[in-house]
Amino acid sequence: GENVEQHPSTLSVQEGDSAVIKCTYSDSASNYFPWYKQELGKGPQLIIDIRSNVGEKKDQRIAVTLNKTAKHFSLHITETQPEDSAVYFCAASKGTSGTYKYIFGTGTRLKVLA
Amino acid sequence: DAGITQSPRHKVTETGTPVTLRCHQTENHRYMYWYRQDPGHGLRLIHYSYGVKDTDKGEVSDGYSVSRSKTEDFLLTLESATSSQTSVYFCAILSSGQGPGNTIYFGEGSWLTVV
Repeated sequence: GENVEQHPSTLSVQEGDSAVIKCTYSDSASNYFPWYKQELGKGPQLIIDIRSNVGEKKDQRIAVTLNKTAKHFSLHITETQPEDSAVYFCAASKGTSGTYKYIFGTGTRLKVLA
Repeated sequence: DAGITQSPRHKVTETGTPVTLRCHQTENHRYMYWYRQDPGHGLRLIHYSYGVKDTDKGEVSDGYSVSRSKTEDFLLTLESATSSQTSVYFCAILSSGQGPGNTIYFGEGSWLTVV
């Protein structure tokens, strides 16, 4: 069935270093790939997204890359700060016939060490 | 803020009792979702709705039912709560738009403990 694998499950980096989280999806019809950040006790918040007609997107310290051939996409956070510590989820979606199904990865717990 | 309010935010209930979680939205979104979040499983879809009285099952729908009698409210009911339903429940809406790339926005969650 449809699946999104996310790695690593935990990631620790020193403040100021970069962090990379990778996701692989199984459904080649997926055409939209959002990333969410979840802080403790809160709901997931959208931080960046990419559509299948784009290979890369940047927003300040955050970037997402998409490789449709290999069916994987990655979140890159540069110059990490303590407030980047959270759980990050990737998702893959396809919007067809009015039904929007999202498949989520299992999450990556990022710890930024001061 | 996608205008989503979940209630209750925290609840402890006993095994075998019925429980209803409410999701209220203020922005007239057509699609609404209920997810549960558990360690090691990420976010799993329970049920979703694509309009008033229009609902469908997700991947983990057993033991749950939903209702949507008006656009703004989507109710999730556990008919007879079990300990395996102890979880964090998130309501979500799909932002309005056309074509692929409509984005899901989540509420703040409802923490349910079944003892």
